[in-house]
Amino acid sequence: DTAVSQTPKYLVTQMGNDKSIKCEQNLGHDTMYWYKQDSKKFLKIMFSYNNKELIINETVPNRFSPKSPDKAHLNLHINSLELGDSAVYFCASSQGLNRIYEQYFGPGTRLTVT
Amino acid sequence: KQEVTQIPAALSVPEGENLVLNCSFTDSAIYNLQWFRQDPGKGLTSLLLIQSSQREQTSGRLNASLDKSSGRSTLYIAASQPGDSATYLCAVGIFFGNAGNMLTFGGGTRLMVKP
Repeated sequence: DTAVSQTPKYLVTQMGNDKSIKCEQNLGHDTMYWYKQDSKKFLKIMFSYNNKELIINETVPNRFSPKSPDKAHLNLHINSLELGDSAVYFCASSQGLNRIYEQYFGPGTRLTVT
Repeated sequence: KQEVTQIPAALSVPEGENLVLNCSFTDSAIYNLQWFRQDPGKGLTSLLLIQSSQREQTSGRLNASLDKSSGRSTLYIAASQPGDSATYLCAVGIFFGNAGNMLTFGGGTRLMVKP
């Protein structure tokens, strides 16, 4: 059973296009996140949602817009894609915001912008 | 701003060795600390979560310790196996007001265990 799933796994697109990455968790968690892992393998948080409400937006360009239709889904929409957006994007979830809850990660979406 | 550093960046050991991976962080006001494993081309698998009030956590051959005052955590892997080969990531959770927990990751240690 997949706990946190992302689609697509790979995404190749041209500069200027708009694309979306979907994330779903079947753990019943209240909190979901998006992280970006760059070419140097550093993982940085982008967004955090709790019960469909945006909590954290970490200096991410406004071309990136998260959308949470319900508690189990947090999709990432990217407008006007740039070369520097190429990275692996990870979705994660946790039971809640409390410190005792660990975060569970999806398999990642490798985005390549040409 | 919290910064997390992992040393060494890469490590190669023969099978059976006990080894220690190091993680240091600059701000001791942490919420928790989580160790992950990442296999090539794959997502992150949570290994251990240590609360800020705890000193260590154990799971099987893995033991993670936390010294908040000195800003350090170690992941000890006993009797290493080739299947342990992966990148190990340390992530520090910081309190973000009403937002709760936000993870800041280190750069990872790439471990290779040779048969």
